[in-house]
Amino acid sequence: QKEVEQNSGPLSVPEGAIASLNCTYSDRGSQSFFWYRQYSGKSPELIMFIYSNGDKEDGRFTAQLNKASQYVSLLIRDSQPSDSATYLCAVANQAGTALIFGKGTTLSVSS
Amino acid sequence: NAGVMQNPRHLVRRRGQEARLRCSPMKGHSHVYWYRQLPEEGLKFMVYLQKENIIDESGMPKERFSAEFPKEGPSILRIQQVVRGDSAAYFCASSPRDRVGDTQYFGPGTRLTVL
Repeated sequence: QKEVEQNSGPLSVPEGAIASLNCTYSDRGSQSFFWYRQYSGKSPELIMFIYSNGDKEDGRFTAQLNKASQYVSLLIRDSQPSDSATYLCAVANQAGTALIFGKGTTLSVSS
Repeated sequence: NAGVMQNPRHLVRRRGQEARLRCSPMKGHSHVYWYRQLPEEGLKFMVYLQKENIIDESGMPKERFSAEFPKEGPSILRIQQVVRGDSAAYFCASSPRDRVGDTQYFGPGTRLTVL
């Protein structure tokens, strides 16, 4: 059973701080990795995708991938109260036919 | 540019009835995926379809559930003889499929409640 693990949280950070979200996955053959944000009662919204080892930056968000350690992370700089949501790590299966999701980490940013 | 569309947004059924959930992919996307999110649970893959083909149905329950994506019209997820355990949010996603593991964009979901 391929798995994606995330700390459920809640992760609480003050406004303006850096939030660090982590994810590990079990399928060593996975090639595509995604971070989605989901507000309560809403659908998942894509934040970033990453395919290669290293860092990928997009505005206040940085995704980091380490395939040797089977580890993906998301950093949110200058956290805002509007960033308060559940962050879902998703890993594509080897065939690329499905995303395997972690259960999500709940982030709370206090003003 | 319209996103993924799903309807209905909310659906109430009594036990034993049928539920039909519809999904229209984003313009230019020809690949559709269905996921289910049970209360307090993570998103679980159900099925991946292209036009007129089921590519991967490894996440579909063996009974009562079926999916199709006809040549014309939306993709349909059909649940026969619903039970209370089918109550969940059902999300459809689509991708352009330019590469393996392509980015999937999600629709607003259908919230199914079984009384």
